[in-house]
Amino acid sequence: KQEVTQIPAALSVPEGENLVLNCSFTDSAIYNLQWFRQDPGKGLTSLLLIQSSQREQTSGRLNASLDKSSGRSTLYIAASQPGDSATYLCIFQGGSEKLVFGKGTKLTVNP
Amino acid sequence: GAVVSQHPSWVICKSGTSVKIECRSLDFQATTMFWYRQFPKQSLMLMATSNEGSKATYEQGVEKDKFLINHASLTLSTLTVTSAHPEDSSFYICSAPGGGGETQYFGPGTRLLVL
Repeated sequence: KQEVTQIPAALSVPEGENLVLNCSFTDSAIYNLQWFRQDPGKGLTSLLLIQSSQREQTSGRLNASLDKSSGRSTLYIAASQPGDSATYLCIFQGGSEKLVFGKGTKLTVNP
Repeated sequence: GAVVSQHPSWVICKSGTSVKIECRSLDFQATTMFWYRQFPKQSLMLMATSNEGSKATYEQGVEKDKFLINHASLTLSTLTVTSAHPEDSSFYICSAPGGGGETQYFGPGTRLLVL
């Protein structure tokens, strides 16, 4: 059974710090991996999508990498800002296109 | 843990017909539910926010008259794809917040194929 683990569950950093969020998965038969942010009371906002044939994707201050051999994806946030405070969710999509959700990392960026 | 169900899990229909998808929170109440869709090789994208007892809020680019949302009770939201066309073929998934709103519980999704 595919499992998606996000570590840490919560993270608090001072503004301006670079940080890394981790997502690990147990099944190497990956179709894609998606990173989202979730704000309280709101739906998910798509951040980055990495197809299984890709190794990383970048959007602004965000960079996501995918290492299929080790079953890991990381989301790198550069120069964090208070507005980055949210829960970050990674979602694994396998060959059957079934989605498996991580439990998220709650990020707090302190001014 | 909290469970969200969706029905049906698979639907194939002819172009021009309407399709209703149900999203239920089985053991908790949800005043808000979210509807997403995913096209092949794309990210899951938020379509709309379903609000119990009031109108849904749609994301930019989502036609509210085509995707009718009804959230008539605290445990049920429905998405009706009206006059479906092949380009509406997609994976539709709903979620409901629980745990004080900090955790999203996702349904298993509905695969829609419009011929």
